[in-house]
Amino acid sequence: DAGITQSPRHKVTETGTPVTLRCHQTENHRYMYWYRQDPGHGLRLIHYSYGVKDTDKGEVSDGYSVSRSKTEDFLLTLESATSSQTSVYFCAISERNGGGELFFGEGSRLTVL
Amino acid sequence: AQRVTQPEKLLSVFKGAPVELKCNYSYSGSPELFWYVQYSRQRLQLLLRHISRESIKGFTADLNKGETSFHLKKPFAQEEDSAMYYCALSGRQGAQKLVFGQGTRLTINP
Repeated sequence: DAGITQSPRHKVTETGTPVTLRCHQTENHRYMYWYRQDPGHGLRLIHYSYGVKDTDKGEVSDGYSVSRSKTEDFLLTLESATSSQTSVYFCAISERNGGGELFFGEGSRLTVL
Repeated sequence: AQRVTQPEKLLSVFKGAPVELKCNYSYSGSPELFWYVQYSRQRLQLLLRHISRESIKGFTADLNKGETSFHLKKPFAQEEDSAMYYCALSGRQGAQKLVFGQGTRLTINP
């Protein structure tokens, strides 16, 4: 498996609280992505990064922010969690955008009560 | 806009039977198509991509631009093929993001 770790792997929180998910890679890949996985919707891109401090929005970015201060870390923050953000979140990395193979983390299951 | 549609949420076939997972896409440019698979308790991983035109674990997929499809096929299903399968699309130019379909859960019955 590619060197990608996500933390925490499981989290239960209450509506309105802030939550930060961390993705850490040891592959020195340039591109990093955050997806959410929901039944009936597959995987949907939240945000992605194409370098340190370079990020852009995906198709479901509302309510989420990201930061990438180092090549190896990509943080996803929910400023004020809502029940609609209950999901499984996957981080992925790739050497090149789009056409390259994505390597996925194990996922972080977030439940917002 | 890029869009991927997998019409079947669930697909169940018997071991040894042929299997076909459908994938249709919408994209105005020249796409790159992929199939990703998630086995139980494993990470999502690339199964195959259309540009390599290879067979992985007995699976093949042909890009049909006329029908805008990229169906995944295997002539004889095996129990270890049971998994969640995602079709994905990426455009070839500019800033590209991988867009996934809704996924098909394939179950192979003994």
